[in-house]
Amino acid sequence: EVQLVESGGGLVKPGGSLRLSCAASGFTFSSYSMNWVRQAPGKGLEWVSSISSSSSYIYYADSVKGRFTISRDNAKNSLYLQMNSLRAEDTAVYYCARGEQPLDYWGQGTLVTVSS
Amino acid sequence: EIVLTQSPDFQSVTPKEKVTITCRASQSIGSSLHWYQQKPDQSPKLLIKYASQSISGVPSRFSGSGSGTDFTLTINSLEAEDAATYYCHQSSSLPQTFGQGTKVEIK
Repeated sequence: EVQLVESGGGLVKPGGSLRLSCAASGFTFSSYSMNWVRQAPGKGLEWVSSISSSSSYIYYADSVKGRFTISRDNAKNSLYLQMNSLRAEDTAVYYCARGEQPLDYWGQGTLVTVSS
Repeated sequence: EIVLTQSPDFQSVTPKEKVTITCRASQSIGSSLHWYQQKPDQSPKLLIKYASQSISGVPSRFSGSGSGTDFTLTINSLEAEDAATYYCHQSSSLPQTFGQGTKVEIK
């Protein structure tokens, strides 16, 4: 069974940093592209970043470019999102999702709240 | 950026009724359009991929159609468990984008 479990969310002040993790199991992690997608409270889905299976290709939404860094460790079956210079508008549930197209499995999400 | 516009934003439907949700892309995306269901306090679940391809384990009452700029998700004979928000998603070009969502309520 495919499982994606996010962790690392919490309350952080504007300008602060946070690192999210996503632990994958039930599939060959190193064979799949992975993504981060976020959802602000009561709002729709927003794609944040993607990374290819070998980390050769990395993409970001303009809204996070230069502030967020996606990475992965295939030996540890883990995906990461380093978030710096956080803003109030980054407040959201962050999901990790498997796949290039489509996003076929999603984790349960981790809540990031940016507030003073 | 490709903008996806769903209609309607909200639909209140009685059980066994047919539901049709449309998704219009701001430019042609071929068949790179996928549909997800998100129930309250849950993560999204893939329903249909590449506009019309079914997903294992998804009830057959869910179907998709369309290509280019106009797409449709159809739920035949709605069941109470189908109360959710439905999103379309394009993977044709970066940035990947989602429609704003269509909330389906059961009367």
